[in-house]
Amino acid sequence: GAVVSQHPSWVICKSGTSVKIECRSLDFQATTMFWYRQFPKQSLMLMATSNEGSKATYEQGVEKDKFLINHASLTLSTLTVTSAHPEDSSFYICSASGPGGGASSKETQYFGPGTRLLVL
Amino acid sequence: SQQGEEDPQALSIQEGENATMNCSYKTSINNLQWYRQNSGRGLVHLILIRSNEREKHSGRLRVTLDTSKKSSSLLITASRAADTASYFCAPDLGNTGNQFYFGTGTSLTVIP
Repeated sequence: GAVVSQHPSWVICKSGTSVKIECRSLDFQATTMFWYRQFPKQSLMLMATSNEGSKATYEQGVEKDKFLINHASLTLSTLTVTSAHPEDSSFYICSASGPGGGASSKETQYFGPGTRLLVL
Repeated sequence: SQQGEEDPQALSIQEGENATMNCSYKTSINNLQWYRQNSGRGLVHLILIRSNEREKHSGRLRVTLDTSKKSSSLLITASRAADTASYFCAPDLGNTGNQFYFGTGTSLTVIP
């Protein structure tokens, strides 16, 4: 149990376009989802926390109008990178926590496989 | 923010040897979790140890927690090449948000 998927795995886009990344919890209810970005050989940086049905909470320095997060259901959260630029190229990873994923699923974050974004 | 800091940053060992990595944090926690990340992939949850526990085992993994020193260690016994990955600790304050602020991790290389 506690499987999280992301789509797409890879995306290459032109500068100025918007890109949507989906994060799905496949077998449990994700009351909370998290979005991270990771640059090569660096750690994961938390971007935002989203709770189902409410607005996301963004970390300091993360532009909410640039990175739109929607968590409309207990199994799906989306991250839209608006007007993407080459500096937005990164590895984006989501995670989910919530009841039904195991003994400690409310405390544990289950991570998706990541989405690699390349903006040309 | 409650960030775990792993040490060492990099560790290289021969297959069959044990690998020990450490984590330090700054404030009181509800639990502490260890994760593994293979190159270019998402994180995999390894083990959760609660603040009232001192040691926990899972297969070849042994985790200790010393709340007085605000530190934890992850021991991988009889390492295998497949253990090559980055390892991160995540101190959990137990607050509503349950946010994790990861450190730079320990990059483990197991040489066959």
